[in-house]
Amino acid sequence: DAKTTQPNSMESNEEEPVHLPCNHSTISGTDYIHWYRQLPSQGPEYVIHGLTSNVNNRMASLAIAEDRKSSTLILHRATLRDAAVYYCILMDSSYKLIFGSGTRLLVRP
Amino acid sequence: EAQVTQNPRYLITVTGKKLTVTCSQNMNHEYMSWYRQDPGLGLRQIYYSMNVEVTDKGDVPEGYKVSRKEKRNFPLILESPSPNQTSLYFCATGQWGTDTQYFGPGTRLTVL
Repeated sequence: DAKTTQPNSMESNEEEPVHLPCNHSTISGTDYIHWYRQLPSQGPEYVIHGLTSNVNNRMASLAIAEDRKSSTLILHRATLRDAAVYYCILMDSSYKLIFGSGTRLLVRP
Repeated sequence: EAQVTQNPRYLITVTGKKLTVTCSQNMNHEYMSWYRQDPGLGLRQIYYSMNVEVTDKGDVPEGYKVSRKEKRNFPLILESPSPNQTSLYFCATGQWGTDTQYFGPGTRLTVL
């Protein structure tokens, strides 16, 4: 199973953009890059995913490096509600989510 | 409203007393799975099911059983719980071939 590497924690100020990095140097050509987040006392929730091109949705943007060995989740304006653990996950055709330790995002008011 | 429900949400039990944690979804999803979450170990998959009557082991299946008799339900059975099964359990569902999986609210289990 392909692995991802993320910083343990990051901090941001409210209303500012946040860039959460993820390294996945062993990614294979068919692995999708998924991001989930887990708010305190809740189950994980889907944020965004992509294969090669950058992606945008109402929650966030995903920037994928040209060689696909890294990606960055971008929250354009962090709010207190965005404080969570963010997981970068590689999904292959098995549809299995393999969670790493994630990045704990702290948002300062 | 799309929902994944788990029951019970909290349970304290004793070693050896059989228990079942239920998971139900109203999205007609084919894929369902169970995870446990432990400090320092993260989320690990216990069992998954691709469809009715099709189940398979995940990464940590020992001590657990599952069944998938109907599409909407995927109960997790602990025949003889032990203290090392004290954990936070999550059920997840998804439609095979799509990209989003939905997680339930979690069941916190304590085995004394």
